[in-house]
Amino acid sequence: EVQLVESGGGLVQPGRSLRLSCTASGFTFGDYAMSWFRQAPGKGLEWVGFIRSKAYGGTTEYAASVKGRFTISRDDSKSIAYLQMNSLKTEDTAVYYCTRDRKNVVDYWGQGTLVTVSS
Amino acid sequence: AIRMTQSPSSLSASTGDRVTITCRASQGISSYLAWYQQKPGKAPKLLIYAASTLQSGVPSRFSGSGSGTDFTLTISCLQSEDFATYYCQQYYSYPLYTFGQGTKLEIK
Repeated sequence: EVQLVESGGGLVQPGRSLRLSCTASGFTFGDYAMSWFRQAPGKGLEWVGFIRSKAYGGTTEYAASVKGRFTISRDDSKSIAYLQMNSLKTEDTAVYYCTRDRKNVVDYWGQGTLVTVSS
Repeated sequence: AIRMTQSPSSLSASTGDRVTITCRASQGISSYLAWYQQKPGKAPKLLIYAASTLQSGVPSRFSGSGSGTDFTLTISCLQSEDFATYYCQQYYSYPLYTFGQGTKLEIK
């Protein structure tokens, strides 16, 4: 069974940093691209960024709203994807989800972790 | 960026009803369209991809159609567990995914 478990969320002050982790199981993690999405309270879904599998270079892409502040990485030996968030803003407050990408389709989502940016 | 527009934003229906949600893309996206269901406090769940392909395990009362710019999600006979918010998502510009604003399906 495919499982994605996010961790690392919490309350953080504006301007500070936070790192989220996504621990995967039930599939060969290294074979898949992974994405991060977020959902602000009461709002819709927003794509945050993406990391390709090593077979496709392991390169990353980011939404304009987070580019230069957020960094996605992966450790295939541990089946973990990371979202490093720097210079956090109040508008980054959201539930953050990691997802598995299967042939460009987001087929599995984690349960999400809440990040609250507030002073 | 490709904009996705869903209608209606909310919908009231009864169990047993047939409902249709529409999604329009700001440019042609071929069949690179997925539908997700989200219940309060839960992660989205993939229902349909490639505009009309049912994800494994999803009941056959869900169906999708369309290509180019106009798409529909139909639930043929609403069950109590179907009351949720539905999102369309384009992956034509993968990995720059974009979603519709969501359609909240409520019990009448």
